Amino acid sequence: EAQVTQNPRYLITVTGKKLTVTCSQNMNHEYMSWYRQDPGLGLRQIYYSMNVEVTDKGDVPEGYKVSRKEKRNFPLILESPSPNQTSLYFCASSLRGGASNSGANVLTFGAGSRLTVL
Amino acid sequence: AQKITQTQPGMFVQEKEAVTLDCTYDTSDQSYGLFWYKQPSSGEMIFLIYQGSYDEQNATEGRYSLNFQKARKSANLVISASQLGDSAMYFCAMREGQRNFNKFYFGSGTKLNVKP
Repeated sequence: EAQVTQNPRYLITVTGKKLTVTCSQNMNHEYMSWYRQDPGLGLRQIYYSMNVEVTDKGDVPEGYKVSRKEKRNFPLILESPSPNQTSLYFCASSLRGGASNSGANVLTFGAGSRLTVL
Repeated sequence: AQKITQTQPGMFVQEKEAVTLDCTYDTSDQSYGLFWYKQPSSGEMIFLIYQGSYDEQNATEGRYSLNFQKARKSANLVISASQLGDSAMYFCAMREGQRNFNKFYFGSGTKLNVKP
């Protein structure tokens, strides 16, 4: 089944304890990205990746890191989590990026990871 | 300025009736894409419909249609014959064409409740 898999789905952690949220897709998609969803704000893009070793900042990158060493994986790293990073996180992928007038840009989302930082 | 504006935080519709969810967008690019996603209470994001800025016809997918008015920069979602399962949060989103073509912007969402 074509899908984007995120882990963990739920996590409660404490301030300053480094954590990684993994994201993997099995569709050979070039483009991957991370979002956080907060009430009243919709989804906001954290980072995106056009392809292996190519990453760039979205609108809210502060406090996050990413890497894209393999095409299928795009982990989100919180080096020193703080309570304002408590949120619902989504990973998403699309076949390719750059050609915005194409259905190839439709994002497929993972199921989401609910993170609480105490 | 907000890239995507959804002015209806919540809406009610009677089962079997049609409903329009509003979305306006802001971009100076000629090339962009517009999307609608549904988020049921279970939390997953479900793709509904896509419209490219150069598409001359309004997009349709089953009971969903996108009323694309380029000059007004609006991309309203029309759901015909509402069903109880349509109760969910709906997000409008845009992917810009030139300068930030890998950036996605989402609206704050509209919570739709379908009444039996």
